[in-house]
Amino acid sequence: SYEVTQPLSVSVALGQTAKITCVADKIATKSVHWYQQKPGQAPVLVIYRDTNRPSGVPDRFSGSNSGNTATLTISGAQAGDEADYSCQVWDTITVVVFGGGTKLTVL
Amino acid sequence: QVQLQESGPGLVKPSETLSLTCVVSGSSISAYYWSWIRQPPGKGLEWIGYIYHTGTTSYSPSLKSRVSISMDTSKSQFSLDLISVTAADTAVYYCASHEVPGDTFDYWGQGALVTVSS
Repeated sequence: SYEVTQPLSVSVALGQTAKITCVADKIATKSVHWYQQKPGQAPVLVIYRDTNRPSGVPDRFSGSNSGNTATLTISGAQAGDEADYSCQVWDTITVVVFGGGTKLTVL
Repeated sequence: QVQLQESGPGLVKPSETLSLTCVVSGSSISAYYWSWIRQPPGKGLEWIGYIYHTGTTSYSPSLKSRVSISMDTSKSQFSLDLISVTAADTAVYYCASHEVPGDTFDYWGQGALVTVSS
């Protein structure tokens, strides 16, 4: 089965840049979607198809996908960005895989 | 705006069947694919499976032997049955929608906590 690995936690100083990675075999051949989840809430889409932002998501959120690594970048991190972030891919058109999730702490 | 609402027992005994229902409003149930996703306490998201109004289903390989997802289009709802549950099945269960396989999960329910315990 296809496995996607995320770091358990990432810390970033207020106003600095945070990078959260998803590592998997040839992940660049797949579309990667990113979700933000705050405590007690359902996930919310922040990046779709590697690099696209849904309307309403601040432009400090960006994504990239190359080789075996997809990256969510949060530029100028704010206190309100503190949350869990999960990547999601479709292994095939019939099977969904989520990364294990990364807790972002804004210091 | 699509709205999803999960419902079902919050406590299930080990070896029994976990059953949840998701009611869809704000959209025709025929317009999307509908998935169940769960999240054990303190852990990551796990996709369980999806259903389409044609009856097409797909399940996670790791849960396939214990899972069934069904739909009642007349009631605009779909359901999850997970048999032979153990404590490892304790989780918040979400229902969610996607337009096509391969796409994002655009709409989510608020989630329903199900605890497996005697």
